[in-house]
Amino acid sequence: AQSVTQPDIHITVSEGASLELRCNYSYGATPYLFWYVQSPGQGLQLLLKYFSGDTLVQGIKGFEAEFKRSQSSFNLRKPSVHWSDAAEYFCAVGSNTGKLIFGQGTTLQVKP
Amino acid sequence: ETGVTQSPTHLIKTRGQQVTLRCSSQSGHNTVSWYQQALGQGPQFIFQYYREEENGRGNFPPRFSGLQFPNYSSELNVNALELDDSALYLCASSLDREVEQYFGPGTRLTVT
Repeated sequence: AQSVTQPDIHITVSEGASLELRCNYSYGATPYLFWYVQSPGQGLQLLLKYFSGDTLVQGIKGFEAEFKRSQSSFNLRKPSVHWSDAAEYFCAVGSNTGKLIFGQGTTLQVKP
Repeated sequence: ETGVTQSPTHLIKTRGQQVTLRCSSQSGHNTVSWYQQALGQGPQFIFQYYREEENGRGNFPPRFSGLQFPNYSSELNVNALELDDSALYLCASSLDREVEQYFGPGTRLTVT
């Protein structure tokens, strides 16, 4: 069955520190992978996506993610976190039927 | 380019009642997907509409139904509301059932 696991429910980092959010997926074929961000009470904003090609993908707001097929992972990274990055982050895998399967999310708190 | 819009923003209903949520897709998009996001959880796929027909359904009972109109806007209807239906309902649009989807701000439904 297709699934997405985000092992860290809550992460706290200091402003200016680096960030890595983990995502592991289970999918039979080559996955379409996404990271979304959700601010409190808001919808989801697409940060970046991986379909094929270069395994390191760049997104908006200075985020990047690396697809590692051998580890079934698609971790999100940012070299220097800003206070405005505090939000909920969701990893998702897209099936060939067009639906998205989401992880449970990771809440990012940024300390001043 | 107009993004995905949803109405209403918030809604309070009583158990047993019926509710209709509305979504306007992003300009040029002909596919609408609906997701339910319970508190503290990732979004879960309800169903998808493509060119006015249902194109896939998640693990939701028949009292969750939908509709898509010729202009590609969509409605989500929920009958016989239960307390567990309290959630953020997200609409996402895409082109030709593509898995890259863009989300609206959501409708917060509270069932008392």
